[in-house]
Amino acid sequence: NAGVTQTPKFQVLKTGQSMTLQCAQDMNHNSMYWYRQDPGMGLRLIYYSASEGTTDKGEVPNGYNVSRLNKREFSLRLESAAPSQTSVYFCASSVIRSTDTQYFGPGTRLTVL
Amino acid sequence: GQQVMQIPQYQHVQEGEDFTTYCNSSTTLSNIQWYKQRPGGHPVFLIQLVKSGEVKKQKRLTFQFGEAKKNSSLHITATQTTDVGTYFCAGYSSASKIIFGSGTRLSIRP
Repeated sequence: NAGVTQTPKFQVLKTGQSMTLQCAQDMNHNSMYWYRQDPGMGLRLIYYSASEGTTDKGEVPNGYNVSRLNKREFSLRLESAAPSQTSVYFCASSVIRSTDTQYFGPGTRLTVL
Repeated sequence: GQQVMQIPQYQHVQEGEDFTTYCNSSTTLSNIQWYKQRPGGHPVFLIQLVKSGEVKKQKRLTFQFGEAKKNSSLHITATQTTDVGTYFCAGYSSASKIIFGSGTRLSIRP
């Protein structure tokens, strides 16, 4: 099992450009999450999906959109990137609830110039 | 809204010394999880505490959940270089989604 995979590993964007971060899990988990990690601020939840076809806002959703394509895949889209979105983005999944153990992907390091 | 505060932000210890990080929530938690993130890596689950006053041990690591379910601690006895990393707590209350603490970064002098 690969667990949780994310692509790309690194990305540099110019302000105003758009991009989609991809995430997939092969553990048959129902819930998936997107976090951003900034120095000194821990992990902040952007969006989550409790099941296929449903998505909900987390703590910091502004500037992002998500799509739960199927049970395996959960993508995060930046429509018009801003320097404030420079961060490391982690995707995670859990069996059912956020209170279950979360399994994290390796992360995407995004820089917006 | 719910806040989970974690202290200290950094801790630099001599190998063999003990280490403790503390997590405090503004609201009562249903449970609390602890994760470890190695430098350049991703968070990895360590343990979950659910019961009031619960204490769990994993080798040199001791985890505690407060009686009021508003605070928790992770204590490492006799640190080793393999303990280097950032330790996060993550709290969940019925009123909100899971909230991560800001983490404690542990560095060790060999």
